[in-house]
Amino acid sequence: GQNIDQPTEMTATEGAIVQINCTYQTSGFNGLFWYQQHAGEAPTFLSYNVLDGLEEKGRFSSFLSRSKGYSYLLLKELQMKDSASYLCAVYMDDYKLSFGAGTTVTVRA
Amino acid sequence: EAGVAQSPRYKIIEKRQSVAFWCNPISGHATLYWYQQILGQGPKLLIQFQNNGVVDDSQLPKDRFSAERLKGVDSTLKIQPAKLEDSAVYLCASSVGDSGTYEQYFGPGTRLTVT
Repeated sequence: GQNIDQPTEMTATEGAIVQINCTYQTSGFNGLFWYQQHAGEAPTFLSYNVLDGLEEKGRFSSFLSRSKGYSYLLLKELQMKDSASYLCAVYMDDYKLSFGAGTTVTVRA
Repeated sequence: EAGVAQSPRYKIIEKRQSVAFWCNPISGHATLYWYQQILGQGPKLLIQFQNNGVVDDSQLPKDRFSAERLKGVDSTLKIQPAKLEDSAVYLCASSVGDSGTYEQYFGPGTRLTVT
């Protein structure tokens, strides 16, 4: 079966940095996505990693280590609007997306 | 560019009743997905269409769920009869193709409550 683990909840202060870790054991690997999902809304694309290393996009960065089955999403200069659930999703050999349960990030003033 | 459209946004039904959801993907997107997202969990793929053909329906409970994508554009997902455990958000997503590099765009979802 597929196993994608990420913490359930994280809390941080406005302006701070938060790192959301994701570890995976899946049937093959063709890339890893991070999605943001605000309560009651659809997931929206944040990043896609297929090669090892760090991808930076504004305040958000995503890192991948294929050999370790590990990724993280780094949120810098946190804003109140960043309060949301962050979903780690792996593209497996059959090109199906398998999602983790999501990490709920709460940003406090 | 218009996004993925879904309707209705909310639906409340009693168990054993039937319900249908509609999805209109982004124009030109060949691949369409239906996901079920139970509260506190990540989305789970129910069925994937490539144009009007089914690519994967291995996780679709076929005794009660059915889906179709006539003419390779709009799609409907039906549940008949509904059970309490079907309470979830049903997300529709579309992508340009079914390759792993194609980002999936999600619709706003339909929140189903079965009482």
